[in-house]
Amino acid sequence: GQSLEQPSEVTAVEGAIVQINCTYQTSGFYGLSWYQQHDGGAPTFLSYNGLDGLEETGRFSSFLSRSDSYGYLLLQELQMKDSASYFCAVLHQAGTALIFGKGTTLSVSS
Amino acid sequence: DAGVIQSPRHEVTEMGQEVTLRCKPISGHNSLFWYRQTMMRGLELLIYFNNNVPIDDSGMPEDRFSAKMPNASFSTLKIQPSEPRDSAVYFCASSPGRDQTEAFFGQGTRLTVV
Repeated sequence: GQSLEQPSEVTAVEGAIVQINCTYQTSGFYGLSWYQQHDGGAPTFLSYNGLDGLEETGRFSSFLSRSDSYGYLLLQELQMKDSASYFCAVLHQAGTALIFGKGTTLSVSS
Repeated sequence: DAGVIQSPRHEVTEMGQEVTLRCKPISGHNSLFWYRQTMMRGLELLIYFNNNVPIDDSGMPEDRFSAKMPNASFSTLKIQPSEPRDSAVYFCASSPGRDQTEAFFGQGTRLTVV
């Protein structure tokens, strides 16, 4: 079976840095993705890690350690608009569909 | 491009009725996915098409659910007969390659079965 674990909720203040962790147990591993979803909206792609290491896209970075079955999403210089749910998702092999975690609700306050 | 287009955006139906959800993927994308989202179960994959061919339908809950992709620009998800437990937001997504390294989601259809 496949399982992904991430915290259910995280709170932070504007300007802070937040790290959302994701651990996975899957039959095979191809890559890890992160998606953002605002209330009532659609999931939108943030980043993809196929190899170990850090991928940086503006204020957001994502990290993967295949040996530890672990990844994280790092959000810097938090803004109110970053309040949303964040999902990690695993591709367990090439040519398959993403399996999503339950999501982490991030609340950013002023 | 207008992105992935789903219709209707909202659907309220009575138990036992047939429901058809529609999706137009982004032009040129080879892969199409149907997901269902509920508070309890999160985002669940229902079915995945590649080049209009169903590749993985193991997430389809039961025979009441069926999905088709008659051509590269259109897909349907049908529930017949519908039940209250089918109430959820149904998302269609497409990606340009065979691997879903970056998927583009539609705005979803919020289905309520009463």
